[in-house]
Amino acid sequence: EAGVAQSPRYKIIEKRQSVAFWCNPISGHATLYWYQQILGQGPKLLIQFQNNGVVDDSQLPKDRFSAERLKGVDSTLKIQPAKLEDSAVYLCASSLGQGAGGANTEAFFGQGTRLTVV
Amino acid sequence: GQQLNQSPQSMFIQEGEDVSMNCTSSSIFNTWLWYKQDPGEGPVLLIALYKAGELTSNGRLTAQFGITRKDSFLNISASIPSDVGIYFCAGPEYGNKLVFGAGTILRVKS
Repeated sequence: EAGVAQSPRYKIIEKRQSVAFWCNPISGHATLYWYQQILGQGPKLLIQFQNNGVVDDSQLPKDRFSAERLKGVDSTLKIQPAKLEDSAVYLCASSLGQGAGGANTEAFFGQGTRLTVV
Repeated sequence: GQQLNQSPQSMFIQEGEDVSMNCTSSSIFNTWLWYKQDPGEGPVLLIALYKAGELTSNGRLTAQFGITRKDSFLNISASIPSDVGIYFCAGPEYGNKLVFGAGTILRVKS
């Protein structure tokens, strides 16, 4: 079974530029997550989709970050304009999400995109 | 939102030693997940726990779901160099929103 695919693996941009990350979840997984992981910290949830609807985006800085999940499969996360403090690893994960709790919550991660803003 | 507290923050291991770490929360969880993250990689799911008191093993790893449902423990027996990495606990809040602890860093004693 193919895992979660993310691209690119690395990206270096200047502040105030824009950047986009792409994620393809595990086939059949209804829930898709985007996390931000700053060096030395645990992953912080930015946005959670259930199929193509947003379940939670309370920690997404909406003035500069946006995300979409068209047709309930692939997803893109965009930052525009980027700030120095956006330098982090952006992780995409997916889970079955067909109900509450149990195996539905087991999330599987991609390798992440390491973003450096200079 | 929920906060998961992991301890210790970091530890050194010598090959062959047993290792223990834990995770606590201020509220109850119905599921506990333990992940390991290697440098440059995404977290990998090690063990999932679904019931209070449950003890589950995966090779040399054993995890327990605390009776109070507010904590969980991970033990690694007879550690080997490839056990080095960062271990995260995670649990679902409402709507399967998965939250993570800050991690326990395992390093090798030189």
